[in-house]
Amino acid sequence: GAGVSQSPSNKVTEKGKDVELRCDPISGHTALYWYRQRLGQGLEFLIYFQGNSAPDKSGLPSDRFSAERTGESVSTLTIQRTQQEDSAVYLCASSPNPGLAGRAYNEQFFGPGTRLTVL
Amino acid sequence: GENVEQHPSTLSVQEGDSAVIKCTYSDSASNYFPWYKQELGKRPQLIIDIRSNVGEKKDQRIAVTLNKTAKHFSLHITETQPEDSAVYFCAATARSGGSQGNLIFGKGTKLSVKP
Repeated sequence: GAGVSQSPSNKVTEKGKDVELRCDPISGHTALYWYRQRLGQGLEFLIYFQGNSAPDKSGLPSDRFSAERTGESVSTLTIQRTQQEDSAVYLCASSPNPGLAGRAYNEQFFGPGTRLTVL
Repeated sequence: GENVEQHPSTLSVQEGDSAVIKCTYSDSASNYFPWYKQELGKRPQLIIDIRSNVGEKKDQRIAVTLNKTAKHFSLHITETQPEDSAVYFCAATARSGGSQGNLIFGKGTKLSVKP
């Protein structure tokens, strides 16, 4: 079946502009995650959606960052008034309902990422 | 909250040698520890994981060990091949607040296997 998809694959924007990044998770996956990966760096957790629960926003670096998710499907990460330090690859991942199959945690499947460049 | 430390940050080995990457975690309640491999320009992919009710797991040339008392876990790759060259990330579950199911990643180890 189809994996996690993200759009756009690349985004170049000017400092101060707003950007929206989209993630389409694997169908049926209730959990969705956003990460930021700066060049040559690790995966920085941003936000986590699990079903209808309130999202865990503890990783968002500032109030310029926000994310929404429509039910258990598509998610949008919005960065307002972009800064040069926002330049990075933004990765989305999804995983099945952890309550299924009697397991607490499941593999996260990553999308290809959106490479954001802020000039 | 959970904190994951990973070392070394870079590792270079000769083809055929073994490679070991080590991680420590801070939250004793964490109970799931996956390892991801990220090849250059590609997305991270799960290669092996271990849950806290076992101490070791093997899958062909890769193995993971877990020491819950010391709160550390390691990835072992034997008979390394050039295609093993990649960045490897360890992770541990975050258990604080409503974060059950979330993962905290280490900063990654860049493994280079020289032919």
